[in-house]
Amino acid sequence: EVQLVQSGAEVKKPGESLKISCKGSGYSFTSYWIGWVRQMPGKGLEWMGIIYPGDSDTRYSPSFQGQVTISADKSISTAYLQWSSLKASDTAMYYCARHLGAARIFDYWGQGTLVTVSS
Amino acid sequence: QSVLTQPPSVSGAPGQRVTISCTGSSSNIGAGYDVHWYQQLPGTAPKLLIYGNSNRPSGVPDRFSGSKSGTSASLAITGLQAEDEADYYCQSYDSSLSGSKFGGGTKLTVL
Repeated sequence: EVQLVQSGAEVKKPGESLKISCKGSGYSFTSYWIGWVRQMPGKGLEWMGIIYPGDSDTRYSPSFQGQVTISADKSISTAYLQWSSLKASDTAMYYCARHLGAARIFDYWGQGTLVTVSS
Repeated sequence: QSVLTQPPSVSGAPGQRVTISCTGSSSNIGAGYDVHWYQQLPGTAPKLLIYGNSNRPSGVPDRFSGSKSGTSASLAITGLQAEDEADYYCQSYDSSLSGSKFGGGTKLTVL
């Protein structure tokens, strides 16, 4: 069974750094892209970027390029989303999802990680 | 404003048929890129509902169907049920962004 399990909720202050994780199981982690999707409170889904754990090839949405870093550690089947300096506007639910590259769809999703940034 | 435009809300009574539109442009749907649909029940992660314009993943009832024409796509739900009340999102690749985009989402209310 394909599963993506994300790290727990985080409460941070503006300016702090953060790295959240997404562990895949039940499939060949290095053979599928993993993507990240943001959902701000009461808002819609936003495609942030994707990474191919096999060779760490990474693509970002122009809206998120330079704002976050997507990485992966294939030895532990885990993808990451990180910020170097959080802002209040980063408060959102973040989902990871398995991305079928050729079809460009997200077929399996993690449960989401709620990130709250507040002074 | 989203690259893919959806109505903010639609509604229907149990048993009725509703459709949700997704209007794009020549750089996404009109360029021939596939449209996919996701269902997000309240408080849960999105779930793939339709892929490749009209294909249903295993386990998705045939009450859900998708179509695409020109620069638009549609999701149809027949025999509406209370459990269908959710937010629905379309998604497609956009060549001007070199990445995918989601529509703004449509909230379906079952009256």
